[in-house]
Amino acid sequence: GAVVSQHPSRVICKSGTSVKIECRSLDFQATTMFWYRQFPKQSLMLMATSNEGSKATYEQGVEKDKFLINHASLTLSTLTVTSAHPEDSSFYICSADRQGGDGYTFGSGTRLTVV
Amino acid sequence: QQQVKQSPQSLIVQKGGISIINCAYENTAFDYFPWYQQFPGKGPALLIAIRPDVSEKKEGRFTISFNKSAKQFSLHIMDSQPGDSATYFCAARTETSGSRLTFGEGTQLTVNP
Repeated sequence: GAVVSQHPSRVICKSGTSVKIECRSLDFQATTMFWYRQFPKQSLMLMATSNEGSKATYEQGVEKDKFLINHASLTLSTLTVTSAHPEDSSFYICSADRQGGDGYTFGSGTRLTVV
Repeated sequence: QQQVKQSPQSLIVQKGGISIINCAYENTAFDYFPWYQQFPGKGPALLIAIRPDVSEKKEGRFTISFNKSAKQFSLHIMDSQPGDSATYFCAARTETSGSRLTFGEGTQLTVNP
Protein backbone atom coordinates (compact mmCIF):
# COMPACT_ATOMS: atom_id res chain seq x y z
CA GLY A 1 0.00 0.00 0.00
CA ALA A 2 0.90 3.66 -0.28
CA VAL A 3 3.32 4.77 2.42
CA VAL A 4 4.24 8.30 3.40
CA SER A 5 7.23 8.71 5.67
CA GLN A 6 7.47 11.85 7.78
CA HIS A 7 10.52 12.88 9.79
CA PRO A 8 11.28 13.78 12.45
CA SER A 9 8.45 12.44 14.56
CA ARG A 10 9.31 14.74 17.40
CA VAL A 11 11.50 17.85 17.63
CA ILE A 12 12.25 20.39 20.31
CA CYS A 13 13.90 23.61 19.26
CA LYS A 14 14.79 26.94 20.77
CA SER A 15 12.79 30.03 19.99
CA GLY A 16 14.20 31.84 16.98
CA THR A 17 15.64 28.79 15.28
CA SER A 18 14.34 27.03 12.16
CA VAL A 19 13.11 23.49 11.86
CA LYS A 20 12.74 21.38 8.73
CA ILE A 21 10.19 18.57 8.44
CA GLU A 22 10.43 16.05 5.62
CA CYS A 23 7.62 14.15 3.95
CA ARG A 24 8.45 11.35 1.53
CA SER A 25 6.20 9.12 -0.53
CA LEU A 26 8.01 5.80 -0.43
CA ASP A 27 6.33 3.69 -3.08
CA PHE A 28 4.53 6.15 -5.31
CA GLN A 29 5.00 9.51 -6.93
CA ALA A 30 3.05 12.37 -5.43
CA THR A 31 2.36 15.32 -7.66
CA THR A 32 0.53 17.00 -4.82
CA MET A 33 1.28 16.99 -1.13
CA PHE A 34 -0.58 18.73 1.66
CA TRP A 35 0.62 20.14 4.95
CA TYR A 36 -1.66 20.30 7.97
CA ARG A 37 -1.44 21.63 11.46
CA GLN A 38 -3.39 20.07 14.29
CA PHE A 39 -3.95 21.43 17.78
CA PRO A 40 -4.92 19.10 20.64
CA LYS A 41 -8.43 17.72 20.35
CA GLN A 42 -9.03 19.61 17.13
CA SER A 43 -9.40 18.74 13.49
CA LEU A 44 -6.69 19.04 10.86
CA MET A 45 -6.19 22.53 9.52
CA LEU A 46 -4.83 22.72 5.99
CA MET A 47 -1.84 25.03 5.82
CA ALA A 48 -0.76 24.68 2.23
CA THR A 49 -0.91 22.60 -0.92
CA SER A 50 2.41 21.72 -2.44
CA ASN A 51 2.80 20.86 -6.10
CA GLU A 52 5.98 19.39 -7.49
CA GLY A 53 8.07 21.94 -9.32
CA SER A 54 5.91 24.93 -8.50
CA LYS A 55 5.21 27.29 -5.64
CA ALA A 56 3.01 26.11 -2.84
CA THR A 57 -0.48 27.47 -2.41
CA TYR A 58 -1.05 28.71 1.11
CA GLU A 59 -4.35 28.89 2.94
CA GLN A 60 -5.62 32.23 4.12
CA GLY A 61 -3.91 33.33 7.30
CA VAL A 62 -0.85 31.11 6.88
CA GLU A 63 2.38 33.08 6.63
CA LYS A 64 4.26 31.80 3.61
CA ASP A 65 7.49 33.44 4.72
CA LYS A 66 7.31 31.63 8.02
CA PHE A 67 6.25 28.22 6.75
CA LEU A 68 8.48 27.53 3.76
CA ILE A 69 7.41 24.62 1.60
CA ASN A 70 9.58 23.00 -1.02
CA HIS A 71 8.41 20.19 -3.29
CA ALA A 72 11.46 19.63 -5.44
CA SER A 73 10.73 16.05 -6.47
CA LEU A 74 7.77 13.75 -6.92
CA THR A 75 8.62 11.94 -3.70
CA LEU A 76 9.75 14.67 -1.32
CA SER A 77 8.19 17.77 0.17
CA THR A 78 9.64 19.73 3.06
CA LEU A 79 8.14 22.21 5.48
CA THR A 80 10.52 24.61 7.19
CA VAL A 81 9.27 26.56 10.17
CA THR A 82 11.46 29.64 10.22
CA SER A 83 12.24 31.68 13.32
CA ALA A 84 10.04 29.41 15.38
CA HIS A 85 8.23 30.73 18.41
CA PRO A 86 6.35 28.92 21.18
CA GLU A 87 3.03 29.60 19.45
CA ASP A 88 4.28 27.50 16.52
CA SER A 89 4.32 24.46 18.78
CA SER A 90 1.87 22.00 17.26
CA PHE A 91 1.44 18.69 15.49
CA TYR A 92 2.30 18.97 11.81
CA ILE A 93 1.10 16.32 9.37
CA CYS A 94 1.71 15.84 5.67
CA SER A 95 -0.30 13.87 3.18
CA ALA A 96 0.23 12.86 -0.39
CA ASP A 97 -2.13 12.36 -3.29
CA ARG A 98 -1.55 9.03 -4.96
CA GLN A 99 -3.24 9.42 -8.29
CA GLY A 100 -5.74 6.70 -8.87
CA GLY A 101 -5.57 5.60 -5.28
CA ASP A 102 -8.27 5.73 -2.66
CA GLY A 103 -7.84 9.02 -0.92
CA TYR A 104 -4.79 10.60 0.51
CA THR A 105 -2.11 8.89 2.54
CA PHE A 106 -0.93 10.67 5.66
CA GLY A 107 2.44 10.77 7.31
CA SER A 108 2.80 9.88 10.96
CA GLY A 109 3.09 13.50 12.01
CA THR A 110 5.73 15.69 13.67
CA ARG A 111 5.31 17.03 17.17
CA LEU A 112 7.10 20.40 17.27
CA THR A 113 7.81 22.00 20.61
CA VAL A 114 9.41 25.44 20.64
CA VAL A 115 10.96 26.43 23.97
CA GLN B 1 -20.34 25.58 1.45
CA GLN B 2 -17.07 23.81 2.07
CA GLN B 3 -17.99 22.68 5.56
CA VAL B 4 -18.46 19.18 6.80
CA LYS B 5 -20.31 18.99 10.10
CA GLN B 6 -19.59 16.02 12.34
CA SER B 7 -21.33 14.77 15.47
CA PRO B 8 -21.07 13.83 18.22
CA GLN B 9 -17.88 15.45 19.47
CA SER B 10 -17.30 12.55 21.83
CA LEU B 11 -18.82 9.13 22.22
CA ILE B 12 -18.55 6.45 24.87
CA VAL B 13 -19.78 2.94 24.17
CA GLN B 14 -19.45 -0.40 25.87
CA LYS B 15 -17.47 -3.22 24.36
CA GLY B 16 -19.62 -5.06 21.86
CA GLY B 17 -21.88 -2.09 21.26
CA ILE B 18 -22.46 -0.10 18.09
CA SER B 19 -20.71 3.23 17.59
CA ILE B 20 -22.39 5.68 15.24
CA ILE B 21 -20.85 8.90 14.00
CA ASN B 22 -22.68 11.26 11.69
CA CYS B 23 -21.57 13.83 9.14
CA ALA B 24 -23.37 16.31 6.94
CA TYR B 25 -22.03 18.28 4.03
CA GLU B 26 -23.17 21.20 1.95
CA ASN B 27 -21.13 21.14 -1.23
CA THR B 28 -22.89 18.96 -3.80
CA ALA B 29 -19.68 18.82 -5.83
CA PHE B 30 -18.18 16.47 -3.24
CA ASP B 31 -18.02 12.98 -4.68
CA TYR B 32 -15.71 11.07 -2.38
CA PHE B 33 -16.28 10.60 1.33
CA PRO B 34 -13.54 8.95 3.40
CA TRP B 35 -13.38 8.23 7.09
CA TYR B 36 -10.09 8.44 8.94
CA GLN B 37 -9.01 6.95 12.24
CA GLN B 38 -6.38 8.73 14.28
CA PHE B 39 -4.60 7.47 17.37
CA PRO B 40 -2.85 9.93 19.71
CA GLY B 41 0.44 11.16 18.31
CA LYS B 42 -0.13 9.56 14.91
CA GLY B 43 -1.31 10.71 11.54
CA PRO B 44 -4.81 9.82 10.33
CA ALA B 45 -5.23 6.49 8.59
CA LEU B 46 -7.88 5.80 5.97
CA LEU B 47 -10.51 3.51 7.41
CA ILE B 48 -13.19 3.25 4.75
CA ALA B 49 -14.55 5.46 2.00
CA ILE B 50 -17.64 5.74 -0.17
CA ARG B 51 -18.67 7.35 -3.40
CA PRO B 52 -22.18 8.76 -3.89
CA ASP B 53 -23.27 6.12 -6.37
CA VAL B 54 -23.87 3.64 -3.54
CA SER B 55 -25.86 4.00 -0.34
CA GLU B 56 -23.83 1.68 1.84
CA LYS B 57 -20.37 0.17 2.03
CA LYS B 58 -19.23 -2.41 4.50
CA GLU B 59 -15.73 -3.52 5.37
CA GLY B 60 -15.55 -5.90 8.28
CA ARG B 61 -17.04 -4.22 11.34
CA PHE B 62 -17.12 -0.81 9.68
CA THR B 63 -20.03 0.40 7.56
CA ILE B 64 -20.66 3.71 5.85
CA SER B 65 -24.25 4.71 5.17
CA PHE B 66 -24.71 7.45 2.60
CA ASN B 67 -27.83 9.55 1.96
CA LYS B 68 -27.24 11.70 -1.09
CA SER B 69 -30.55 13.56 -0.96
CA ALA B 70 -30.01 14.52 2.67
CA LYS B 71 -26.30 15.18 2.11
CA GLN B 72 -25.44 13.05 5.09
CA PHE B 73 -23.23 10.07 5.73
CA SER B 74 -22.43 8.06 8.79
CA LEU B 75 -19.96 5.55 10.14
CA HIS B 76 -21.17 2.53 12.04
CA ILE B 77 -18.73 0.44 14.03
CA MET B 78 -20.27 -2.88 14.94
CA ASP B 79 -19.09 -4.93 17.92
CA SER B 80 -16.97 -2.01 19.12
CA GLN B 81 -13.71 -2.97 20.81
CA PRO B 82 -11.42 -1.09 23.21
CA GLY B 83 -8.84 -1.02 20.42
CA ASP B 84 -11.26 1.08 18.39
CA SER B 85 -10.83 3.92 20.89
CA ALA B 86 -9.46 6.75 18.76
CA THR B 87 -10.51 9.96 17.07
CA TYR B 88 -12.53 9.56 13.90
CA PHE B 89 -12.74 12.16 11.18
CA CYS B 90 -15.12 12.22 8.28
CA ALA B 91 -13.99 14.07 5.20
CA ALA B 92 -15.11 14.97 1.72
CA ARG B 93 -13.50 16.00 -1.52
CA THR B 94 -14.07 16.18 -5.19
CA GLU B 95 -12.20 13.56 -7.15
CA THR B 96 -10.27 16.08 -9.16
CA SER B 97 -6.64 15.16 -8.85
CA GLY B 98 -4.97 17.19 -6.13
CA SER B 99 -8.20 18.47 -4.67
CA ARG B 100 -8.21 19.23 -0.97
CA LEU B 101 -9.94 17.25 1.73
CA THR B 102 -12.49 19.02 3.87
CA PHE B 103 -12.54 17.46 7.33
CA GLY B 104 -15.22 17.22 9.95
CA GLU B 105 -14.45 18.35 13.48
CA GLY B 106 -13.69 14.85 14.72
CA THR B 107 -15.27 12.43 17.19
CA GLN B 108 -13.34 11.03 20.12
CA LEU B 109 -14.54 7.48 20.61
CA THR B 110 -13.96 5.62 23.84
CA VAL B 111 -14.90 1.96 24.04
CA ASN B 112 -15.05 0.72 27.61
CA PRO B 113 -14.09 -2.89 28.30
